[in-house]
Amino acid sequence: DTAVSQTPKYLVTQMGNDKSIKCEQNLGHDTMYWYKQDSKKFLKIMFSYNNKELIINETVPNRFSPKSPDKAHLNLHINSLELGDSAVYFCASSQVTIEQFFGPGTRLTVL
Amino acid sequence: AQSVTQPDIHITVSEGASLELRCNYSYGATPYLFWYVQSPGQGLQLLLKYFSGDTLVQGIKGFEAEFKRSQSSFNLRKPSVHWSDAAEYFCAVGGVGGGNKLVFGAGTILRVKS
Repeated sequence: DTAVSQTPKYLVTQMGNDKSIKCEQNLGHDTMYWYKQDSKKFLKIMFSYNNKELIINETVPNRFSPKSPDKAHLNLHINSLELGDSAVYFCASSQVTIEQFFGPGTRLTVL
Repeated sequence: AQSVTQPDIHITVSEGASLELRCNYSYGATPYLFWYVQSPGQGLQLLLKYFSGDTLVQGIKGFEAEFKRSQSSFNLRKPSVHWSDAAEYFCAVGGVGGGNKLVFGAGTILRVKS
């Protein structure tokens, strides 16, 4: 069974479009995260939600809006996509010990 | 501020040789330390973690890491590398006080030559 899943795996779109990435975890964890991995493979946290409450927002442009309908889901909506948004976006989840389990990633390409 | 340094961008080792990947961290409190591995086109898989206790921790796939507080290091080791170990390895530091976020190093790409 997949622990942390993301859809879609690949996303190719034009500048200015709006897109969403979905994440689901079946581990029963309370906390979920979004990370961005840039072209140099550098991983940086974007957001963290605990029990549907936003607890980390790391100076991400407000074009990015996370939404957590329940503690098993954390979606990422991106408005007015820009070339610089091209990256791999990883969802992760954790419980109290902060050991984070990562999804397979979504490769976003903005043309 | 939390930070992680992985001094080696690339490392090449022969199959069967030993491996050590370096990681130095900066953290204001007792750190939680992790090593993750990422194969090409894949997500991140947790190799091992250190929270407290024994400073030598064992992980999956025959990896181990040693926490040295005096050196602020958490180096990853494997006594005999297999070709399937070729991947990118990330060291990360975190703590409950930081909202559970992980701060990652820039990664080390491991190449294995036969």
